[in-house]
Amino acid sequence: EAQVTQNPRYLITVTGKKLTVTCSQNMNHEYMSWYRQDPGLGLRQIYYSMNVEVTDKGDVPEGYKVSRKEKRNFPLILESPSPNQTSLYFCASSSTSGRVETQYFGPGTRLLVL
Amino acid sequence: AQSVTQLGSHVSVSEGALVLLRCNYSSSVPPYLFWYVQYPNQGLQLLLKYTSAATLVKGINGFEAEFKKSETSFHLTKPSAHMSDAAEYFCAVSPYNQGGKLIFGQGTELSVKP
Repeated sequence: EAQVTQNPRYLITVTGKKLTVTCSQNMNHEYMSWYRQDPGLGLRQIYYSMNVEVTDKGDVPEGYKVSRKEKRNFPLILESPSPNQTSLYFCASSSTSGRVETQYFGPGTRLLVL
Repeated sequence: AQSVTQLGSHVSVSEGALVLLRCNYSSSVPPYLFWYVQYPNQGLQLLLKYTSAATLVKGINGFEAEFKKSETSFHLTKPSAHMSDAAEYFCAVSPYNQGGKLIFGQGTELSVKP
C-alpha cells in the first residue's frame, strides 16, 4: 500500500530536549516536505527536499533541521524544542518534474513542548 | 510574495444545499492550484488540482473548482452537500517559479446541518 508514515504520532517533551520525528514514504517520490498546522494559520511549510541531499527552507524553518540521505526518509529534527513549536506536524511526498504535483500526506505528529 | 486567501474560516450549509468555498491567490503567472480536505484527526487528502489544462476541474466526492485567471480565483463547489462533507478544506498554490514551495490558505471549516 502506497503511504507516508510518521513516527511518533504523539509526543510530549520538555524545552531543550532534542527530538526527531521520522518520515518515510514507499512511493519512490523525489519530493518530500514538512509542514506545521496551527489553528487559524493553515499549514505552513517548514522545509522541503527536491531529491536526495537537496533541501531548502520553507516559510517557517527557524528552530528546525532536516536531512535527506535516502530517497525514502526525511526526518525532522528539533535540536532545542521550545513551547512555540507545539503544533501538529505533517510530512508529505510527491513525484515532481520541477513543480509540486499531488502531495500525499502522512497521518500527522502531534507535539507538545512543555 | 505569493499568498492564498480563503474567504471565511467557517461555512455552514444545510444538507442538500450548494457548497461554495472561496479561494483567491496572488500571482501574475498562473500557478498550480489545489484543494485538499482534512477530516477530523486525519491527514490531508487531495480533492482536485489545476495544472494549466482545463479550467473547470472535477475532483472526488462530487466537488469541482473553476480556475478564473481574470479574478485570480479557484473556488470550490459542490451542488448538494452531504453530512459526510463536514471537514476542513484547504486551498494551496504551487508558485510558477519557486520549485518545491507549496503555500496553503488558512483553511475553511465546513459544517453541514441536517
